[in-house]
Amino acid sequence: AQSVTQPDIHITVSEGASLELRCNYSYGATPYLFWYVQSPGQGLQLLLKYFSGDTLVQGIKGFEAEFKRSQSSFNLRKPSVHWSDAAEYFCAVSTGGFKTIFGAGTRLFVKA
Amino acid sequence: GAVVSQHPSWVICKSGTSVKIECRSLDFQATTMFWYRQFPKQSLMLMATSNEGSKATYEQGVEKDKFLINHASLTLSTLTVTSAHPEDSSFYICSARGQGAGQPQHFGDGTRLSIL
Repeated sequence: AQSVTQPDIHITVSEGASLELRCNYSYGATPYLFWYVQSPGQGLQLLLKYFSGDTLVQGIKGFEAEFKRSQSSFNLRKPSVHWSDAAEYFCAVSTGGFKTIFGAGTRLFVKA
Repeated sequence: GAVVSQHPSWVICKSGTSVKIECRSLDFQATTMFWYRQFPKQSLMLMATSNEGSKATYEQGVEKDKFLINHASLTLSTLTVTSAHPEDSSFYICSARGQGAGQPQHFGDGTRLSIL
């Protein structure tokens, strides 16, 4: 069965520091991969997506993610975090079929 | 980008009343719409999936008579919480997806439902 694991429940980084949020998936073939961000009391916003091709994908708000097939990972990165990036981040996988599976989420705290 | 509008954003009502939440895709045709429930500090819990013109598919443990879903057109889906009780209080989020493999889901801003 397909699954998505976000190993870190929460992460704290200093403003201006780099960020990496981890995501691992389980699926037999190449999945469609997504990262979403959710601010408190709001819905989810799509940051970026991977379908095929270049394994390093660029998203909005300065985020990028790299698909590594050998590690079944799709980690989200940002070189310099801003206080406004504090939010909940969800990794998701779709098998191209009907359903998208979401990870449990990682809450990002940014300290001044 | 694709926009999904969810209304209302906040509802407070008495126990026993029914509440309808609307989800509209504003600039694309949503072949499939999803309804989620989210508890504080937790991930999304998929309640049901609906395709335009057909009955919704409910996840295990979700009462279909309690949570009525209608997806009458390619741009509108509604969730009606019937005879709501305090335990139904939650944050409900809809999302919509266009046709084609691997299309991302686009989310509404959610509805905070509080039952007194």
